[in-house]
This record gives sequence, structure tokens and C-alpha cells, in this order.
Amino acid sequence: NAGVMQNPRHLVRRRGQEARLRCSPMKGHSHVYWYRQLPEEGLKFMVYLQKENIIDESGMPKERFSAEFPKEGPSILRIQQVVRGDSAAYFCATSEGGYEQYFGPGTRLTVT
Amino acid sequence: TQLLEQSPQFLSIQEGENLTVYCNSSSVFSSLQWYRQEPGEGPVLLVTVVTGGEVKKLKRLTFQFGDARKDSSLHITAAQPGDTGLYLCAGAKTSYDKVIFGPGTSLSVIP
Repeated sequence: NAGVMQNPRHLVRRRGQEARLRCSPMKGHSHVYWYRQLPEEGLKFMVYLQKENIIDESGMPKERFSAEFPKEGPSILRIQQVVRGDSAAYFCATSEGGYEQYFGPGTRLTVT
Repeated sequence: TQLLEQSPQFLSIQEGENLTVYCNSSSVFSSLQWYRQEPGEGPVLLVTVVTGGEVKKLKRLTFQFGDARKDSSLHITAAQPGDTGLYLCAGAKTSYDKVIFGPGTSLSVIP
């Protein structure tokens, strides 16, 4: 997890609220990937971004979820009007553009 | 459709035993990575293999990429409790594609 920062580490939201998850890449990394993980399961790809551009969002639900990676600042995964089924661990990974990705510690979202 | 399959799903062994976990696909990948994830943490990259038939060793861990680049294995010699974790394989078809993860093998090494 060298250098990839995610915050908050834990986030509790009530149904209907918005959740914002932040990911600061390792220095020099311009590619960001977001994944979702349920307990005892593997990682499900959500979206792949490169500075200011969405490259692949085939794993993102069509509604309520959005992601951005602005020119300045962290990448943001935004979930509007959260529901209990959104409760999960969300990981971001960053890379220089090659095969190897480096993961952050994750944000654990709990929707009550 | 799960492009990458891993077996076994769960494995519980005694300290000192050897084990092998497998990652299989019907698709060809240009690279495969292995990660280990501990509870409450993000996955940590262990190795990347890119050449068919390639074998890489990392202390007690031996990784192999199949000749056809559709499968990989991870062998652990003399397992230790510190090896406990979720082992994930991941593959990419090109360096510009998203990486696909397998469902993982959950390993428990009992002292």
C-alpha cells in the first residue's frame, strides 16, 4: 500500500445520504482504478480513470454512482442516495499505466 | 461471467505444510499478478508474470505462468501463520486494459 492514500477509512451514512470517498495516488501515478469488495469476496472493478478522463466505467452502476479524477486533487468516488446494499469496502488502486497496481487501505462504508 | 477462476476457494493447513493455489482462465492474458490481502487492508502486490512458462520465486513462494498464458499457480513451501490471507490473482489482456481479479483463495495457516 506504499503511498496510496484513501480517506476516510470508515464512513457511516444513513440511507438517502451521499458518500464521498477520496483517493490520493502515489507520486507519479496518473491512473486510478476503483474497486468494490464484499466480505469473503474478490474485488469487483468499478471504474478506471486517467487525469480528467474516464477510460472505462463498465463496472459502475448506471445510477447514483459517479467518479472523477480532476487535474488537481484526489480522485473522488461519489455515491448519491446511499442504500444498505452499498455497504462494502471500496478500494482504489493507482499505477503509472502499466500492469501493476498499488492499492490503498480502503474505505469501509456502512449504510444504516 | 468470471473470467478468472481460483481454486481452492478456502484452504486451511498446518504450519510447515506445502500448498499450491491455482488461477485459471479460458482467455489469454498478457500479464498476471498475484496479490495477498490481509483482513482490513488493501491487497499487496506480490509478483507480476508476463512470459508464458515464466517461473518467479519470492522466498518460500514460487509463481508460474502457464505456457499458453491462460493460467498461473502459486506454490508456498513450509507455510507459516504469517502467510494467512486472501490470495488474489489478476490479469490484464493489454497494458491499457482494466485488470480483472479472480475471486481469491482464502488461506489459513494454523500454528
